Amino acid sequence: GAVVSQHPSWVICKSGTSVKIECRSLDFQATTMFWYRQFPKQSLMLMATSNEGSKATYEQGVEKDKFLINHASLTLSTLTVTSAHPEDSSFYICSARVNGITDTQYFGPGTRLTVL
Amino acid sequence: GENVEQHPSTLSVQEGDSAVIKCTYSDSASNYFPWYKQELGKGPQLIIDIRSNVGEKKDQRIAVTLNKTAKHFSLHITETQPEDSAVYFCAANFNKFYFGSGTKLNVKP
Repeated sequence: GAVVSQHPSWVICKSGTSVKIECRSLDFQATTMFWYRQFPKQSLMLMATSNEGSKATYEQGVEKDKFLINHASLTLSTLTVTSAHPEDSSFYICSARVNGITDTQYFGPGTRLTVL
Repeated sequence: GENVEQHPSTLSVQEGDSAVIKCTYSDSASNYFPWYKQELGKGPQLIIDIRSNVGEKKDQRIAVTLNKTAKHFSLHITETQPEDSAVYFCAANFNKFYFGSGTKLNVKP
């Protein structure tokens, strides 16, 4: 149980284009999901908290207009990197909380974004 | 906000030996402490967790201890195997997760 999927697992795009990453909770409902970014050999950096039916809460220093988050259902959150540039290349990972359990987070497999 | 420190950054052990990774946290209000294992190119996998009302928890070869007074918690892996090789992250929960910097564990066969 508590499986989280991400799609795509990797994506290569040209500079200036937008990329959408999906995060799904497969066997549970998740009112709250999280988006993280991870650089090579570094820890996870929280970008934003996504709540179903409301606006995402972004961490300090994260541009909300560049990283658009939509949490339209209890099993799906999406992250759109708009007008991507090479410095946006990174490993993006989502996680989800099981409804009714306030702390445990289950992580997706991650999405490797490369911007040329 | 919360600050989590993790040591060591790298740990190399012989297969069959034990491995211990330690974390300290700063905010006494933190109440939940998970440990994640991350293999190269994959997302973190929850391996064990402990809540602030418990001092120790064990699951087969893996155990976690929590000292609330000293604000530190540790991951213990016994009888290590090559497949235990990965990066391990601790985290402390205070409204959101604060992660440690990670420990790269290498188990030599």
